[in-house]
Parts: sequence; structure tokens; C-alpha cells
Amino acid sequence: ETGVTQSPTHLIKTRGQQVTLRCSSQSGHNTVSWYQQALGQGPQFIFQYYREEENGRGNFPPRFSGLQFPNYSSELNVNALELDDSALYLCASSLAVRGGTGELFFGEGSRLTVL
Amino acid sequence: GEDVEQSLFLSVREGDSSVINCTYTDSSSTYLYWYKQEPGAGLQLLTYIFSNMDMKQDQRLTVLLNKKDKHLSLRIADTQTGDSAIYFCAEKVGRNTGKLIFGQGTTLQVKP
Repeated sequence: ETGVTQSPTHLIKTRGQQVTLRCSSQSGHNTVSWYQQALGQGPQFIFQYYREEENGRGNFPPRFSGLQFPNYSSELNVNALELDDSALYLCASSLAVRGGTGELFFGEGSRLTVL
Repeated sequence: GEDVEQSLFLSVREGDSSVINCTYTDSSSTYLYWYKQEPGAGLQLLTYIFSNMDMKQDQRLTVLLNKKDKHLSLRIADTQTGDSAIYFCAEKVGRNTGKLIFGQGTTLQVKP
């Protein structure tokens, strides 16, 4: 069983640039969620995708956008990067079934530094 | 509102029990989770409890839920140095989303 994998693991961007982060879901999972974890904080929910559509969004501006592909892999795109976007971005996959526990399985994250 | 609070730091000696506490505000939470994060790594799911249960035991881990007080705790028996990590409590909000509300994490330091 393949776990959740994310790429790249680390990257550095400058203010105003755009970034794309990628995630491959755990085998058999159909839902992917993205979280932002600032240093010393708990993860904050950005959004979730189910069947290639956004299905729930946290308190993040529209410059945070995403995609889910037919194979359930996903991308997180952030435009017009700001210094405060520096964080660990975590992808989590889950299996959405009626009556299921829906626990999330996280990848190792992509650490973004904005200079 | 949605808020999860945890104490920031706990230090124990190897072999002792550790108890990490968490309070949450959303009474409609369906599941509550405990995750472990080691330095530079992602989150590892340790255990979860359904909101209509008050206790769950899983090997060295015991989860207690007091729904009336919205209080959750994680007890680790016979704590080992490998248990040193940050522990996050999280509540699931809504039935059909993957939205979890996380606490700020409790750093557990295990001294030999």
C-alpha cells in the first residue's frame, strides 16, 4: 500500500511569485485535503477535493487554489506569494464512505520559504 | 466557534505515564483524533474516538472523552524516549468534509 507522497519537499520562492505543490493520494483514497502549518502552530485547513471538485474551504484567500485529477492526485497553487505564506504545506488523503471514520493520512509535507 | 486548545509542553521520565489534555468548542464534532509529529516530518495518526464513546484503549494509548466538558485526553503508558514528539488533538467538523480543527500541539519531552 503506497502512502501519501508530496513534492517538492523543500522550495524557496520570492514574494510575488507563484508556486505549485503536488500530492499523490494513498492507494484507494478518493478525497484529498490541504493544510498549512506555520512554524510552531497546528495545521490550518485550506480546502478539500472530492471527485475533482472543491468540497469545503477554510479561511484562505482565492489566491490559494487547487485541483484534483481523475487518479485522485492533487495540486495546490498559490499565486502572488507573501512572506506569511512561508510554512509546511501538508496534503492528506482519506476515503469518503458512508459511515466511515474518514481519518486523514498525511504526507511528509512541502516546506515553502518565501523571501 | 471552532477552537481547540492544548497545553504547550509536558516533560516526563521514561517509564512514567504521560497525559496530554485538550479542550474543544464545537459540540457537533463527530470524531476526535490524536496525531503525532516528529521533527521535520508529517503527521502520524495515533488513534481516534467517536463522539458517542467515552473511552478507547489501543495498546499503550488510552483516550478519554468527556463530551459534557468538551475535554479529550491521551494517556501514554510506559512512556519511552521514542515517544518524544509534538502531539496534536483535532476535531472533525461536519460529516462530509475533511476539515479538521487542530490544537497548537503539545511538545512531549521524555527524559531517560
